[in-house]
Amino acid sequence: DTAVSQTPKYLVTQMGNDKSIKCEQNLGHDTMYWYKQDSKKFLKIMFSYNNKELIINETVPNRFSPKSPDKAHLNLHINSLELGDSAVYFCASSQEGEQKFFGPGTRLTVL
Amino acid sequence: SQQGEEDPQALSIQEGENATMNCSYKTSINNLQWYRQNSGRGLVHLILIRSNEREKHSGRLRVTLDTSKKSSSLLITASRAADTASYFCATANSNSGYALNFGKGTSLLVTP
Repeated sequence: DTAVSQTPKYLVTQMGNDKSIKCEQNLGHDTMYWYKQDSKKFLKIMFSYNNKELIINETVPNRFSPKSPDKAHLNLHINSLELGDSAVYFCASSQEGEQKFFGPGTRLTVL
Repeated sequence: SQQGEEDPQALSIQEGENATMNCSYKTSINNLQWYRQNSGRGLVHLILIRSNEREKHSGRLRVTLDTSKKSSSLLITASRAADTASYFCATANSNSGYALNFGKGTSLLVTP
């Protein structure tokens, strides 16, 4: 069974559109994260949720809105997509302070 | 903000040789973790070393941590072509909910 899954794997869309990426973990972890990896492979934390509560919200445009319906799911909704949003988005989960388990990533391309 | 730097940015070695990657960071940490990423894939956890530990081993991997110098190193012994990947160090601190703060990564190429 996949520990951390994301859908879709690839997302190609036009500027100005709204899109969502879904993430689910079946590890029973309390904390989930969204990371963005840019074209230079640099990884940056975007959001962190612990038991459905927002813990970290880094300097991310408010066009990005995470939603955690339960502690096994953390979805990412992006409004008014821009060219600069093109990147690979990784979901991850962990127990507090321990290793992170990453999903396979969603490659977003904004045209 | 970006936590630190990895050195070297790229490393090319032959199978059987050892590969050493270094990582520096700037702030206090609870632990430091190393991850591996194959091209086009997700990140795989390799080793976690806590701030009160100095060295850790896992198979062919050896990680050291020097909190006084705010640096860590990852040694891969007897490298194999399958070790070709990007390697990232990342720090975690309880003040930021243990979210990982990544370095820029080292791209390792192991040739047969």
